[in-house]
Amino acid sequence: AQSVAQPEDQVNVAEGNPLTVKCTYSVSGNPYLFWYVQYPNRGLQFLLKYITGDNLVKGSYGFEAEFNKSQTSFHLKKPSALVSDSALYFCAVRDMRYGGSQGNLIFGKGTKLSVKP
Amino acid sequence: DTGVSQNPRHKITKRGQNVTFRCDPISEHNRLYWYRQTLGQGPEFLTYFQNEAQLEKSRLLSDRFSAERPKGSFSTLEIQRTEQGDSAMYLCASSLYGSISFNYGYTFGSGTRLTVV
Repeated sequence: AQSVAQPEDQVNVAEGNPLTVKCTYSVSGNPYLFWYVQYPNRGLQFLLKYITGDNLVKGSYGFEAEFNKSQTSFHLKKPSALVSDSALYFCAVRDMRYGGSQGNLIFGKGTKLSVKP
Repeated sequence: DTGVSQNPRHKITKRGQNVTFRCDPISEHNRLYWYRQTLGQGPEFLTYFQNEAQLEKSRLLSDRFSAERPKGSFSTLEIQRTEQGDSAMYLCASSLYGSISFNYGYTFGSGTRLTVV
């Protein structure tokens, strides 16, 4: 079955320190991977994607993610966290049942990132 | 282009009542998706449209739920005889199938938060 796992419910980081939010996936074929961020009572905002190419992808607000095929992981990273990064982060993979043509996404449960001053 | 718009932002209803939500996608987008997000969970796929055709419905979409996109533009999601378990955030997203941007993820609306009392 296709799935996304975010093993940490919450990640706490001090401002200025590097952060990592973990994600592993299970999908048939080559994955299309995404990270979204959600602020309270808001919809989801796209951060970055991996489709093909370089394993390190860069996205919005200084975030990046590393695709690791052997470990089936797509961890989100940022070199220096800001208090304003505090939010809920979701990892997602495209449903590949029909080659991904439907376009629907399978999301993880989310990880709450808390950055303290 | 003002993005994906959802109305209302919040809805409180009594159990057993019917509710209807509206989603206005980005105007040129031919794909429209509905997701449900319950507290502490990631969004779960409900259904999607290509133009006016509803192409897939997940098993989460019980008989009490119906979605339409009559002219291939805005969409409505109706829940009949609401139950407390229907309390959730209902998210809409749109994309342009057939374009390169289709692989880049969606644009989500801010969601409609439903509370059934």
